[in-house]
Amino acid sequence: GQQVMQIPQYQHVQEGEDFTTYCNSSTTLSNIQWYKQRPGGHPVFLIQLVKSGEVKKQKRLTFQFGEAKKNSSLHITATQTTDVGTYFCAGPFADGANNLFFGTGTRLTVIP
Amino acid sequence: DAGVTQSPTHLIKTRGQQVTLRCSPKSGHDTVSWYQQALGQGPQFIFQYYEEEERQRGNFPDRFSGHQFPNYSSELNVNALLLGDSALYLCASSLGQGNSPLHFGNGTRLTVT
Repeated sequence: GQQVMQIPQYQHVQEGEDFTTYCNSSTTLSNIQWYKQRPGGHPVFLIQLVKSGEVKKQKRLTFQFGEAKKNSSLHITATQTTDVGTYFCAGPFADGANNLFFGTGTRLTVIP
Repeated sequence: DAGVTQSPTHLIKTRGQQVTLRCSPKSGHDTVSWYQQALGQGPQFIFQYYEEEERQRGNFPDRFSGHQFPNYSSELNVNALLLGDSALYLCASSLGQGNSPLHFGNGTRLTVT
């Protein structure tokens, strides 16, 4: 069945250090979305990538979609304590659908 | 502009009981999806409702059922509760059935004892 794995599972960084999480799908994805879930909160949409090799930036966050559309990454430059949370990638079950299959998540802790 | 609202916030039930969770989508959204999130895991897709019909279903038993009303709000029903049903149940709304992003509610924390 479809699987979406993320590494690492956990990451502790000092404030100001960079952080990267990697997402790998067992199947080709029509698009990939990233969500952030703060401790005790709910997932919040960050971004959607659609094109092969696409790169998008949101301030200190850089998102990439692989050429084969089976992997993706999220890089945060100079982490801040507000970046704490679990980052999930998610892909659709089928093309054109928004029934998302969430990855295993990477839990980021930022040490002040 | 109201976001996705879910009720109740917390719920404690006993094995074998039945539970109903409720969700009102974000204003302007017509599609509601339900997810189950166990502690420390990613959300797992249960099913999606659009135009008052179940359109997609994840790998969940028939004990899990739902409904969507003409005002787009939705209910999730779980029968014959098991201990393993203890989780955070998240409702997400979106516009249409395409690739639009999901807007999640704060969830209902269900504990089965």
